[in-house]
Amino acid sequence: DAGITQSPRHKVTETGTPVTLRCHQTENHRYMYWYRQDPGHGLRLIHYSYGVKDTDKGEVSDGYSVSRSKTEDFLLTLESATSSQTSVYFCATRWGAGKGNQPQHFGDGTRLSIL
Amino acid sequence: TQLLEQSPQFLSIQEGENLTVYCNSSSVFSSLQWYRQEPGEGPVLLVTVVTGGEVKKLKRLTFQFGDARKDSSLHITAAQPGDTGLYLCAGAMEYGNKLVFGAGTILRVKS
Repeated sequence: DAGITQSPRHKVTETGTPVTLRCHQTENHRYMYWYRQDPGHGLRLIHYSYGVKDTDKGEVSDGYSVSRSKTEDFLLTLESATSSQTSVYFCATRWGAGKGNQPQHFGDGTRLSIL
Repeated sequence: TQLLEQSPQFLSIQEGENLTVYCNSSSVFSSLQWYRQEPGEGPVLLVTVVTGGEVKKLKRLTFQFGDARKDSSLHITAAQPGDTGLYLCAGAMEYGNKLVFGAGTILRVKS
């Protein structure tokens, strides 16, 4: 697969604290994505990146920011975590060259609980 | 409101039964992808359908893309306990750079 590592895999934190999740890939894929998965909602896109320092918002971007300073790393930051951001977060990558029907490859997720 | 409506949400069947999962939208997609997800893991691609009317078979799984590229179905023949999992459909938008996911179908196959 695309060699995607998410860290941490589990985190419990308190409301109002900053949280950063990391996604690391080893396949030199151009596109990287952050999703959250909640019961009844499937996967919802938070932000995505189409290259180093090139990012765009997804459908649920409020309260989240991202950064991509290297091809292999995509960081998701919750500046001030709220209980509504308790979720399972998935990173995905896509090769990105040529036509757009390539699949996305997913990491194993980060389970984030905000108390 | 989900852009891609997936049904049913839950399905609990006996081993050997057949089932169909549906994904419907009012939007046209450049392609439709189906993923399967197991607990504690990320989704894994099963198939991509691209052409309207396309049918793809993967052993006991048959995937169909609607003629208008707005809907898709997944049919499993003679389900087995190993088919248990969460099935997700995803429509490709913006030249495939973004996917919109259905809410998922949780399938449980009892032996």
